[in-house]
Amino acid sequence: GEDVEQSLFLSVREGDSSVINCTYTDSSSTYLYWYKQEPGAGLQLLTYIFSNMDMKQDQRLTVLLNKKDKHLSLRIADTQTGDSAIYFCAESIYGGSQGNLIFGKGTKLSVKP
Amino acid sequence: DAGVIQSPRHEVTEMGQEVTLRCKPISGHNSLFWYRQTMMRGLELLIYFNNNVPIDDSGMPEDRFSAKMPNASFSTLKIQPSEPRDSAVYFCASSFVQVGGELFFGEGSRLTVL
Repeated sequence: GEDVEQSLFLSVREGDSSVINCTYTDSSSTYLYWYKQEPGAGLQLLTYIFSNMDMKQDQRLTVLLNKKDKHLSLRIADTQTGDSAIYFCAESIYGGSQGNLIFGKGTKLSVKP
Repeated sequence: DAGVIQSPRHEVTEMGQEVTLRCKPISGHNSLFWYRQTMMRGLELLIYFNNNVPIDDSGMPEDRFSAKMPNASFSTLKIQPSEPRDSAVYFCASSFVQVGGELFFGEGSRLTVL
């Protein structure tokens, strides 16, 4: 079945870059997503990438997609304490047309001042 | 827009009691999802509706769990009878599936079953 794997924890110093990695299994996924969850809140969409793209950049965020290896990464440049949160990778099954996402367990990012 | 609204935000109940969680999706969205989040299992999809019709309820743990969506602006998730292992944060999310599948989450209902 579909599965999305992420490491559970990442700790970085303020100002450094953070790289959160994810592997997924469904090669037919059309969209791949990164969601952010702050303490006590629901998930919010951070960014997404279409499967025919290798890279997407959005301000401090860079998403890299290696479709051959089914590997997705999120790089946060100049990480700030406000970036501390849980980051979820998700793949869209059924080709993305039905909005049904499979989420990883989330990577908890801790940013130390 | 007010976003997805869930109630209650917190509920503490005793084993065996009935629990009803409520959700108001974003107006105009045609899909609604119920997720459960625990430390051990992460985020699990319980059920989702498209145009008020349940499409996939394979994630519903057992018969104690039921979900309804009587109209486009309201859904409930009911647990009867509740058990301590049901303790979790339950999220409702909605989307308009034709625009890339972004889900908009509510703030969650934290359930504690004693």
